[in-house]
Amino acid sequence: DAKTTQPNSMESNEEEPVHLPCNHSTISGTDYIHWYRQLPSQGPEYVIHGLTSNVNNRMASLAIAEDRKSSTLILHRATLRDAAVYYCIPGTSYGKLTFGQGTILTVHP
Amino acid sequence: ETGVTQSPTHLIKTRGQQVTLRCSSQSGHNTVSWYQQALGQGPQFIFQYYREEENGRGNFPPRFSGLQFPNYSSELNVNALELDDSALYLCASSPPSGGAEFGPGTRLTVL
Repeated sequence: DAKTTQPNSMESNEEEPVHLPCNHSTISGTDYIHWYRQLPSQGPEYVIHGLTSNVNNRMASLAIAEDRKSSTLILHRATLRDAAVYYCIPGTSYGKLTFGQGTILTVHP
Repeated sequence: ETGVTQSPTHLIKTRGQQVTLRCSSQSGHNTVSWYQQALGQGPQFIFQYYREEENGRGNFPPRFSGLQFPNYSSELNVNALELDDSALYLCASSPPSGGAEFGPGTRLTVL
C-alpha cells in the first residue's frame, strides 16, 4: 500500500476555501486517490476520488499533480459542517481502504 | 435507499466473551468490508466479503471471523474478547462499480 503524508491538523474560517494536501509518493500507476472524511461520532463518508485528471463534484474538487505523487482536496467555501477528519487514501476502488491518521480540519465561525 | 445500517449501536462485553455484530448493506452492493477504529486512530481493515466468500484480510487474528449472506448482509464475530478489542467497528458496502459506503458503526466496550 502507498504511504501517505497529511498535516495533522488545519484550520479555516467559515466561507473561505480550504486546501488539504496529501503526499503519496509511492502510489502505483493503477491506484486511484480517494478522499473520505469522518465527522464526529459518524462513519467515514466518501468525498471524491480520481486517477489522473482533476475532478469536481458537488462536495469538493480534487487536484492531482502531474506526477501523481501528491494531491490536494479543495473545499471551495468551508462551512461548520465540514469540520471533520479528512483521509487521503491511494488504492483500488473496492472497499479495501488503508486509512492513515488523516487531517483534522477545524472551521471557525 | 436506506443506506448501510449496523446493529447494535453500543455493546458492552467482558473479557473472554464472544460478540456478533451485524451489518445490512446498501441495496445492490455485493461487497462488504469490516473495519476496526480505535480511539484517536484511523479505521483499520479487518476483512472483506464478496459473494459470500472472504476476499482479503488485514492483520487480524483468526478469532475475528465473518459471514456474508445471500442478501449481502453480513456479520462480524469476535471470539475470546480482549480489552484491546474495545473500538468502533465499521461496516462498509460497495457496489460493483466501486467505492464504499460506511455505516455508523458499533461501539464495543470490553471490560
